[in-house]
Amino acid sequence: GNSVTQMEGPVTLSEEAFLTINCTYTATGYPSLFWYVQYPGEGLQLLLKATKADDKGSNKGFEATYRKETTSFHLEKGSVQVSDSAVYFCALRGGNTPLVFGKGTRLSVIA
Amino acid sequence: EAGVAQSPRYKIIEKRQSVAFWCNPISGHATLYWYQQILGQGPKLLIQFQNNGVVDDSQLPKDRFSAERLKGVDSTLKIQPAKLEDSAVYLCASSLDGGQGDTQYFGPGTRLTVL
Repeated sequence: GNSVTQMEGPVTLSEEAFLTINCTYTATGYPSLFWYVQYPGEGLQLLLKATKADDKGSNKGFEATYRKETTSFHLEKGSVQVSDSAVYFCALRGGNTPLVFGKGTRLSVIA
Repeated sequence: EAGVAQSPRYKIIEKRQSVAFWCNPISGHATLYWYQQILGQGPKLLIQFQNNGVVDDSQLPKDRFSAERLKGVDSTLKIQPAKLEDSAVYLCASSLDGGQGDTQYFGPGTRLTVL
């Protein structure tokens, strides 16, 4: 079945540091890929998505590229801020199958 | 635009009791989802509705969980009787048409504690 593996957390960075959160997936066919974020005290919200190979999703300075050859969708940001502290979830959906989430990566950014 | 509404936000019950959660999706969204999120894990789909019909309930423990979406709008999820392992956050989400690339919008969740 479909599955997502993302890097274990927690990740602690200083403000303005470069962020990478790794995400790899297993799926048949051509799934759509998502990054969701959960800020403290808030619900899950979509951060970005890509629906076909080589697509790049971007939002709020975050980017991720759908790499079919490496089955990856790594999340990156060039300069993190304290306000980026949250839990980040990689997810995929293929065809009529459910949205499948990774376990989440907690990011803490310190000033 | 109003988001997905859920109530209650928190619920504490004893094992073997029953509990119900309510969800109001974003207006115009045909597809509604219920997820269970256990602490330290990603959400897991319990059931998906398209309008008022069930599309996928393969991961719903049907001996104790039930859900309905009457009139294709609001939905309720019920647990009867609850077990200790049902302690989790129950998330409701909605999307326009349920397609593979369709964005799902999540509510704030209901945190259930079973003692």
